[in-house]
Amino acid sequence: NAGVTQTPKFQVLKTGQSMTLQCAQDMNHEYMSWYRQDPGMGLRLIHYSVGAGITDQGEVPNGYNVSRSTTEDFPLRLLSAAPSQTSVYFCASSYSRGTQYFGPGTRLLVL
Amino acid sequence: SQELEQSPQSLIVQEGKNLTINCTSSKTLYGLYWYKQKYGEGLIFLMMLQKGGEEKSHEKITAKLDEKKQQSSLHITASQPSHAGIYLCGADLATSGSRLTFGEGTQLTVNP
Repeated sequence: NAGVTQTPKFQVLKTGQSMTLQCAQDMNHEYMSWYRQDPGMGLRLIHYSVGAGITDQGEVPNGYNVSRSTTEDFPLRLLSAAPSQTSVYFCASSYSRGTQYFGPGTRLLVL
Repeated sequence: SQELEQSPQSLIVQEGKNLTINCTSSKTLYGLYWYKQKYGEGLIFLMMLQKGGEEKSHEKITAKLDEKKQQSSLHITASQPSHAGIYLCGADLATSGSRLTFGEGTQLTVNP
């Protein structure tokens, strides 16, 4: 199993540009989540999903959209990037209410 | 997160020394997860604790969850340079369903 994969590993955007961060898992996990990690702030939950077709907001959802059309994929969309969205983004998945397994992360720089 | 406090924020120890990292919650912990992160990489799962008083060990790392299920400690015995990294505790709080709330992390440096 590849586990949780994320693409791209690194991305530079200009303010106002849009992009999609990809996340996929091959463990048939129901739950998937997106976090951002910032210095001094720890990991903060952006959006999460408890199954295909079901998503909900986390702690810092503004500026991000998600959808879950399949069990395997959970993309995160930035519609109009802002410098405040410069961060490291992690995707995680778990089977029900259990241990979350994390992807390697995407480093995003918004100029 | 104010719901989960980790201490210390950073720790520098000499190789071979023991150390402890603490994680304290303002709410009852449904589950407590310890992760390790090397700079620029993802989070590696270490251990999960669910029951009050539970203790788990893996190699030289031991984690405990206190009886009241509001505090956990991670103890490393005879630290090695390979233990260096950021240690994060993640809590499954009773009110938050499947989401994890994370502490800010502890940056551990082990000097040879």
